[in-house]
Amino acid sequence: AQSVTQLGSHVSVSEGALVLLRCNYSSSVPPYLFWYVQYPNQGLQLLLKYTSAATLVKGINGFEAEFKKSETSFHLTKPSAHMSDAAEYFCAVSESHTGGFKTIFGAGTRLFVKA
Amino acid sequence: NAGVTQTPKFRILKIGQSMTLQCTQDMNHNYMYWYRQDPGMGLKLIYYSVGAGITDKGEVPNGYNVSRSTTEDFPLRLELAAPSQTSVYFCASSYSKPGEETQYFGPGTRLLVL
Repeated sequence: AQSVTQLGSHVSVSEGALVLLRCNYSSSVPPYLFWYVQYPNQGLQLLLKYTSAATLVKGINGFEAEFKKSETSFHLTKPSAHMSDAAEYFCAVSESHTGGFKTIFGAGTRLFVKA
Repeated sequence: NAGVTQTPKFRILKIGQSMTLQCTQDMNHNYMYWYRQDPGMGLKLIYYSVGAGITDKGEVPNGYNVSRSTTEDFPLRLELAAPSQTSVYFCASSYSKPGEETQYFGPGTRLLVL
């Protein structure tokens, strides 16, 4: 069964520093991959998605993610953290299978940004 | 467009009580979903619907029921509330099956069962 692993439940960076949030999935078939962001007391919003086009995907707010099939990874990065980036980030994998679909969410990584 | 709306925002239930969580979307999406979010556990799919009159179980359906009489509405029913159902519930929708389709989420309903 497909699974999603997000390394680190909490990540803390200084304002202006590189943000790196890790996501690994388990699938031999390239799936559809997503990063969602959740701000406090809000629902999830799509940050970016990979749908088998370019392996480097650019999203909103300066975030990007690179699909690496050999490493089964889809890590999220941003060159320079801003205070407003403090939120929880979820990696998700979606794949079709007989009889329907399945979207699996990772456990989430909470990003803290220090002034 | 209001997107996906959920009511109530917060509710406290006693064990054994019942309630309905409301979800409405105004984007004419075919697919709708109910998830629960527990700390450190990510989101788990409870039920989903691929269109009016069609629903199916997700990963954690026990203790819940759903109906889909219209495209816009997808209520989630808790018949006998239990402490294990304390969670944050999110409704979501998408135009088609979530292969590459984005899911749009409501703001959530925080439920506490005591």
